[in-house]
Amino acid sequence: SQTIHQWPATLVQPVGSPLSLECTVEGTSNPNLYWYRQAAGRGLQLLFYSVGIGQISSEVPQNLSASRPQDRQFILSSKKLLLSDSGFYLCAWGEDTRFGYTFGSGTRLTVV
Amino acid sequence: AQSVSQHNHHVILSEAASLELGCNYSYGGTVNLFWYVQYPGQHLQLLLKYFSGDPLVKGIKGFEAEFIKSKFSFNLRKPSVQWSDTAEYFCAVNWGSGTYKYIFGTGTRLKVLA
Repeated sequence: SQTIHQWPATLVQPVGSPLSLECTVEGTSNPNLYWYRQAAGRGLQLLFYSVGIGQISSEVPQNLSASRPQDRQFILSSKKLLLSDSGFYLCAWGEDTRFGYTFGSGTRLTVV
Repeated sequence: AQSVSQHNHHVILSEAASLELGCNYSYGGTVNLFWYVQYPGQHLQLLLKYFSGDPLVKGIKGFEAEFIKSKFSFNLRKPSVQWSDTAEYFCAVNWGSGTYKYIFGTGTRLKVLA
């Protein structure tokens, strides 16, 4: 069966420090991968998605970037964190857009 | 631009009351429609989906949703809520035809009083 792993679960980072959040999927090939940010009262904001290795689509101009170095690995990065980058980051995967996503457990990022 | 609206941000109901949460999307064409639920402290999980066929779809835990194409709506319903339905509910839309992204609504927080 397919599983999705996302880590770390929580992270506290100082302003100006780099960021790397990792997401991996097991039990499937060539999944569509997604990074969302969830903020209270604002729902889920799509940040990036990828339909294949090295293919990244950015939805929101911001201080973040994403990479997909391997088929089932999706990484969210920043060179220098801002206070406004604090939030709850969710990774998700799907195979067919008709069938929905499976979400990871999320990372709570606090920038101090 | 594509958008999804959930007009009820907070809903409080007593157990056994009926529930209807609204979801509207910005324009038509081929759409795939979803409701997700997030119970306190848990992952987002798929509640139900529609992509073709009968516009009344049934999901887990007694939930159902009706796709009304002319109204660009996909409202979630449950005839009798339970305390355990306390959660946040998100509507999501994928505009098919080769698009991969889903747009989510802002969510509705449901609190069911025992």
